[in-house]
Amino acid sequence: GENVEQHPSTLSVQEGDSAVIKCTYSDSASNYFPWYKQELGKRPQLIIDIRSNVGEKKDQRIAVTLNKTAKHFSLHITETQPEDSAVYFCAASIVPMEYGNKLVFGAGTILRVKS
Amino acid sequence: EPEVTQTPSHQVTQMGQEVILRCVPISNHLYFYWYRQILGQKVEFLVSFYNNEISEKSEIFDDQFSVERPDGSNFTLKIRSTKLEDSAMYFCASSLDGTGRDTQYFGPGTRLTVL
Repeated sequence: GENVEQHPSTLSVQEGDSAVIKCTYSDSASNYFPWYKQELGKRPQLIIDIRSNVGEKKDQRIAVTLNKTAKHFSLHITETQPEDSAVYFCAASIVPMEYGNKLVFGAGTILRVKS
Repeated sequence: EPEVTQTPSHQVTQMGQEVILRCVPISNHLYFYWYRQILGQKVEFLVSFYNNEISEKSEIFDDQFSVERPDGSNFTLKIRSTKLEDSAMYFCASSLDGTGRDTQYFGPGTRLTVL
């Protein structure tokens, strides 16, 4: 089955710096890669996703890149702010699936933005 | 914006007791999921549900677990005889369809504590 590895496990950056979180996946059939942000005690919230027909997607300060050949994808956060501090999870899935698509999550990255 | 809701927010039970965790998915969604997150660990897929039946389940989802959609709005997870290792945060998620809008929206979670 699919396995997703995520690095680093913790990341500390100064406010205003960039943060990069990397994930690799094992199943070449995976084609949908969402990123979720989870604040302490809260639900995971989707912040950006990418499908395998594109290599990069941006949304303001957040971008995701995908390298299908190498089977890895990365989250880039620029101009980090204290409110970016949270746990970030990458995930992989196969879509469309007639009966639903399970998400396989990475282990998470604790991002601390120091002001 | 519609959200997935879950009740209760925290459930404490004795080992061997049955618990039912409840979820109300977003109203026009067709696919429903349960995930769990043991404290400090990754989010793990338990089960997906579509068209009133289980479409996929993980190894974790053994005979002690069951899901049901008893009416048009609720989606429940039952654990028949809880074990200490069932202590975790349980998240319900829902998505619209598997043909383009695959984003899974998560509920706030139910923290299950088995004593």
